[in-house]
Amino acid sequence: ELKVEQNPLFLSMQEGKNYTIYCNYSTTSDRLYWYRQDPGKSLESLFVLLSNGAVKQEGRLMASLDTKARLSTLHITAAVHDLSATYFCAVDKPTSGTYKYIFGTGTRLKVLA
Amino acid sequence: GAGVSQSPRYKVAKRGQDVALRCDPISGHVSLFWYQQALGQGPEFLTYFQNEAQLDKSGLPSDRFFAERPEGSVSTLKIQRTQQEDSAVYLCASSLGYEQYFGPGTRLTVT
Repeated sequence: ELKVEQNPLFLSMQEGKNYTIYCNYSTTSDRLYWYRQDPGKSLESLFVLLSNGAVKQEGRLMASLDTKARLSTLHITAAVHDLSATYFCAVDKPTSGTYKYIFGTGTRLKVLA
Repeated sequence: GAGVSQSPRYKVAKRGQDVALRCDPISGHVSLFWYQQALGQGPEFLTYFQNEAQLDKSGLPSDRFFAERPEGSVSTLKIQRTQQEDSAVYLCASSLGYEQYFGPGTRLTVT
């Protein structure tokens, strides 16, 4: 069974600090996705990582993928309050000619001013 | 262009009532997915359609849950005899390839 685990589950950090969120998955997967979710809102796509060694950056967020270790990281640089949200990683699992997503448990990030 | 839309956005049902949740996917998207997100959890897969064919319903939690997409576009998720444990956000997503695009969700509260 494909499982996706994130840590930490909760993260409270000061503005200006750096931190990393980890996403481990249990079996091989073709792609990995990072999403942001604000309270009461839907999922906002952040990154799609397509291959081993992929690295993508957008603003203060950088995501990477190591398929051999089955690990993805989401690194936050110089956090600001606006980054406060819940972050999910997901991997896709083949089903009937397409892929369904298996989501991680989520990391609830709170950036303190 | 228009994204995935869902209606209603909020639904309150009394235990035992039937509910129907609607999803309008992005025009031309062949694949449509339903996910259930309980409070404080990640979304969990419920079912998948390719056009009008329901090819994977392995995530539906019980036979009270039923989904259809009769013309290969709009989909409806129906929950019969709702229970409190059905309270969750129901997300719909559509895709052409591997990347899925999510709708705003329907928050269902069963009282």
